Amino acid sequence: EAGVTQSPTHLIKTRGQQVTLRCSPISGHTSVYWYQQALGLGLQFLLWYDEGEERNRGNFPPRFSGRQFPNYSSELNVNALELEDSALYLCARARDRARDTQYFGPGTRLTVL
Amino acid sequence: GQQLNQSPQSMFIQEGEDVSMNCTSSSIFNTWLWYKQDPGEGPVLLIALYKAGELTSNGRLTAQFGITRKDSFLNISASIPSDVGIYFCAGREVKASGTYKYIFGTGTRLKVLA
Repeated sequence: EAGVTQSPTHLIKTRGQQVTLRCSPISGHTSVYWYQQALGLGLQFLLWYDEGEERNRGNFPPRFSGRQFPNYSSELNVNALELEDSALYLCARARDRARDTQYFGPGTRLTVL
Repeated sequence: GQQLNQSPQSMFIQEGEDVSMNCTSSSIFNTWLWYKQDPGEGPVLLIALYKAGELTSNGRLTAQFGITRKDSFLNISASIPSDVGIYFCAGREVKASGTYKYIFGTGTRLKVLA
């Protein structure tokens, strides 16, 4: 049991649209990480939230953004979708900033047409 | 994007054989994690390493945190068909500013022939 739920599981959008992905860690875990995994490739770090604040950001354009809510669930927003945004978007939880071993959810498969 | 060097890229082995893979970095890390990912699913944590030189086992899996803190190794003994998948390493890089992030390896794709 990964202790992370993600929604939706699959999503199809067209270029220029906007998308919101959601992630919920198990109770008591304050850190949420977002990664992008293009088909057949490794994981690229997107964003890290802990206790409601953005703690670090990967090398992605500003159209990738997100937030963390008081219950530590998180949203990832992608504006002005491009074809290369098609990927598996993974969310990982960690207990907190100090105990940061990451456990992944099942991911959201985004296809941009 | 930034990724760690992981080798081999892929391997085909016979059931029952042992498997070794490794990750190397130009940076020093203070944590190494090893994951297995099945197609279309999220990575599953196999082993976590927190100290240089640490050797940790999880069933048939054994991983080591290199003493230089720039590499890590994963061994799978007596492989079975369900070991098939992609194995990723991840290293925790701490920057001078105090922020940190995990950097993932390029993955080792393992196929086990029965």
